Amino acid sequence: ELKVEQNPLFLSMQEGKNYTIYCNYSTTSDRLYWYRQDPGKSLESLFVLLSNGAVKQEGRLMASLDTKARLSTLHITAAVHDLSATYFCAVVPNDMRFGAGTRLTVKP
Amino acid sequence: KAGVTQTPRYLIKTRGQQVTLSCSPISGHRSVSWYQQTPGQGLQFLFEYFSETQRNKGNFPGRFSGRQFSNSRSEMNVSTLELGDSALYLCASSRDRWENTEAFFGQGTRLTVV
Repeated sequence: ELKVEQNPLFLSMQEGKNYTIYCNYSTTSDRLYWYRQDPGKSLESLFVLLSNGAVKQEGRLMASLDTKARLSTLHITAAVHDLSATYFCAVVPNDMRFGAGTRLTVKP
Repeated sequence: KAGVTQTPRYLIKTRGQQVTLSCSPISGHRSVSWYQQTPGQGLQFLFEYFSETQRNKGNFPGRFSGRQFSNSRSEMNVSTLELGDSALYLCASSRDRWENTEAFFGQGTRLTVV
């Protein structure tokens, strides 16, 4: 059975700190997606990682993909309150399968 | 460029009723997929349509069905509603099938079954 596991599920950070969210998956997938969801809102696409070793950065967020280890990371640098949201990773073996999400809270 | 449009945004239905949700994908996108999001189960795949054909189906009972029209708009229908069907239903559109392109999500339809 396909598993997409995110760690941690809940993350409370102070502004200015760095942290990493991990996404492990159990099936072969050459691509991985990261989405952000604000409360009551839809999913906003953050990154599409298309190959092994891919690294993408947007502002304070950087995502990477290691297809051999079946691991993706979402690194947060110098967190700010606006980053508070739930972050999902997803892989596509046949259809898009999501992790449980990491609820990030950034406190002043 | 218009995004993915889902209607209605909110619905309240009674147990036993049926409901139809609509999704209009981004212009030029041929693939539409549906997801159910609940606090307990997270995001679960319902089905995917591409060029009017159902390509993939998740593990949901037959009460959940869908279709796609020639203009790529999609509808999903839930019959004999149960309390557990209360959820945020999201649709996503992509230019091609999942394995080839990025997916963009609509704002969702929040269904409450009472």
